[in-house]
Amino acid sequence: DTAVSQTPKYLVTQMGNDKSIKCEQNLGHDTMYWYKQDSKKFLKIMFSYNNKELIINETVPNRFSPKSPDKAHLNLHINSLELGDSAVYFCASSRAGLAGETQYFGPGTRLLVL
Amino acid sequence: AQKVTQAQTEISVVEKEDVTLDCVYETRDTTYYLFWYKQPPSGELVFLIRRNSFDEQNEISGRYSWNFQKSTSSFNFTITASQVVDSAVYFCALSGLDSSYKLIFGSGTRLLVRP
Repeated sequence: DTAVSQTPKYLVTQMGNDKSIKCEQNLGHDTMYWYKQDSKKFLKIMFSYNNKELIINETVPNRFSPKSPDKAHLNLHINSLELGDSAVYFCASSRAGLAGETQYFGPGTRLLVL
Repeated sequence: AQKVTQAQTEISVVEKEDVTLDCVYETRDTTYYLFWYKQPPSGELVFLIRRNSFDEQNEISGRYSWNFQKSTSSFNFTITASQVVDSAVYFCALSGLDSSYKLIFGSGTRLLVRP
């Protein structure tokens, strides 16, 4: 009965490949997020969807494309992977995309680009 | 712009010591929200507490307590009688209109509790 789940947990791939990370939440939340945590542990938001609609799109290379087939799922597709994409990617969800709503995080996907 | 500063990069204590993790924030909002998250060595991010800017009461939950002071823009976190299982990276975060309701994280404080 995991609240926010991500697959895969680990992803090792070659430069130039395309890969996807999947996220699902069973909390009934309306809003989902993708965050990137770099090697220095710094966490930064990348995207946010509210009820399948994109509401936050930070300055992220357009090789990164989020897709939300329904409000319980938010996937992240990355084209032409680069060495600098190596990081931990966290999915999160909250009841609504409003200030103060607690965001609950998935376990993270550790991406290593070789 | 909103900003969260966790000046302590790493803290090391011996088990049973009390430890305080500092968090200082900057915002132009009058209504905002502060959070603490824990990231244990296993890597997940665990929500600990949420506090809105109108509630300055200190909060205690078991060995954990939080001290929110608007006058100094600080939201400090104290662990009493620390245990080895408290070893983790702790993040303070801020959300408000000024950041379009995004969660702005501090750089984290790594706490090592030695037996």
